Amino acid sequence: QVQLQESGLGLVQPSQTLSLTCRVSGDSVNSADSHWSWIRQQPGKGLEWIGSVYRSGTTDYSPSLKSRVTISMEASQNVFYLKVSSVTAADTAVYRCARAPRYRAQSGFYVDIWGQGKLVTVSS
Amino acid sequence: DIQMTQSPSSLSASVGDRITITCRASQSIANCLNWYQQKPGKAPKVLIYATSSLQSDVPSRFSGSGSGTDFTLSIRSLQPEDFATYYCQESYTSGTFGQGTKLEIK
Repeated sequence: QVQLQESGLGLVQPSQTLSLTCRVSGDSVNSADSHWSWIRQQPGKGLEWIGSVYRSGTTDYSPSLKSRVTISMEASQNVFYLKVSSVTAADTAVYRCARAPRYRAQSGFYVDIWGQGKLVTVSS
Repeated sequence: DIQMTQSPSSLSASVGDRITITCRASQSIANCLNWYQQKPGKAPKVLIYATSSLQSDVPSRFSGSGSGTDFTLSIRSLQPEDFATYYCQESYTSGTFGQGTKLEIK
């Protein structure tokens, strides 16, 4: 079955760059059927869409995070990445990678497979 | 930016009740609206995609409707396992989520 696994440092210093990797098994990040996405959840808060990457390298970011976020992929390793620059305590959250299949025959997508999540704490 | 507003933010109901949660988009999103259920400490689970399509393995007591800017999630005959937090998400532009609706047992 399809599985996603996040990895990266769990503690990042303020003003530094948060970097996470999502390793995909059971599917290909080169699939024409899906976007590959990052979503976060601050402690006790709701879900926040960060952005996604498609096999062509096309990316889409949340307007509120766009200036600080980069999402990319490496098809040969079947992974995709998240970088968030200039982090503050407000970026402390559980970060989840996810598969987002496209709707059939129309634009739009939904998330059907999630990673288990990686807690990243921003603190000195 | 599209804003997604859910109502109510919290809701108390009893097993067997029928409930409805509303999601309103700040501009038209056609039918690009998804619903998720999340339980504490777990990843969300998709229930409904493209407004009204039921994800496989999701019980038929869940249903979705709407178009344009106004959407609803309905759960008929609430079961104990349905008490959770529910989120809507638009996929017309980026992937903005609503703020969530916490469904609690009365």
